[in-house]
Amino acid sequence: SQTIHQWPATLVQPVGSPLSLECTVEGTSNPNLYWYRQAAGRGLQLLFYSIGIDQISSEVPQNLSASRPQDRQFILSSKKLLLSDSGFYLCAWSVRGTLYNEQFFGPGTRLTVL
Amino acid sequence: KNQVEQSPQSLIILEGKNCTLQCNYTVSPFSNLRWYKQDTGRGPVSLTIMTFSENTKSNGRYTATLDADTKQSSLHITASQLSDSASYICVVITGGGNKLTFGTGTQLKVEL
Repeated sequence: SQTIHQWPATLVQPVGSPLSLECTVEGTSNPNLYWYRQAAGRGLQLLFYSIGIDQISSEVPQNLSASRPQDRQFILSSKKLLLSDSGFYLCAWSVRGTLYNEQFFGPGTRLTVL
Repeated sequence: KNQVEQSPQSLIILEGKNCTLQCNYTVSPFSNLRWYKQDTGRGPVSLTIMTFSENTKSNGRYTATLDADTKQSSLHITASQLSDSASYICVVITGGGNKLTFGTGTQLKVEL
């Protein structure tokens, strides 16, 4: 069976510090991978998606970047965090093919920027 | 502008009661609509996926309906349980499957 992991589960960082969130998927090959942010009282916002290694598409301009160094690893990064980067970050995967086949979400990372 | 609006924003019901959550969308062209359940601090889990031609789909005590003409969907929960307390999110996918639009969710609380 497929599983998706995210870490850390929670993170508190000062403004201006760097960020690295990691997501890994097990039990499947060549998945589509996604990063979402969920701000309080807001819907999920797609940040990045990837259809393959080193193939990253950004949906919204922002202070964040994403990388996919391995087939089942997706990393969300920032060089300098802003207060507005606080939120709940979700990684998701779907079967390769139509970009938005059913997506399966990870447990999420709660990021608080102070 | 593609939008997905859910109502009510929050809802409190007693255990054992039924409830219905609403989702109205302006997304076009429509591909499919999904309902997710998100427990607090967890990732969303899919409940149902409905295509244009489907009017109703059930998953246990959850029944989703879709009216593509009026661009409305509902999620009906029967005989609610405490474990149903969660946020329920409606997601609409545009034709070709190239874009998702998420609703802000309905926060459901089931009490004794």
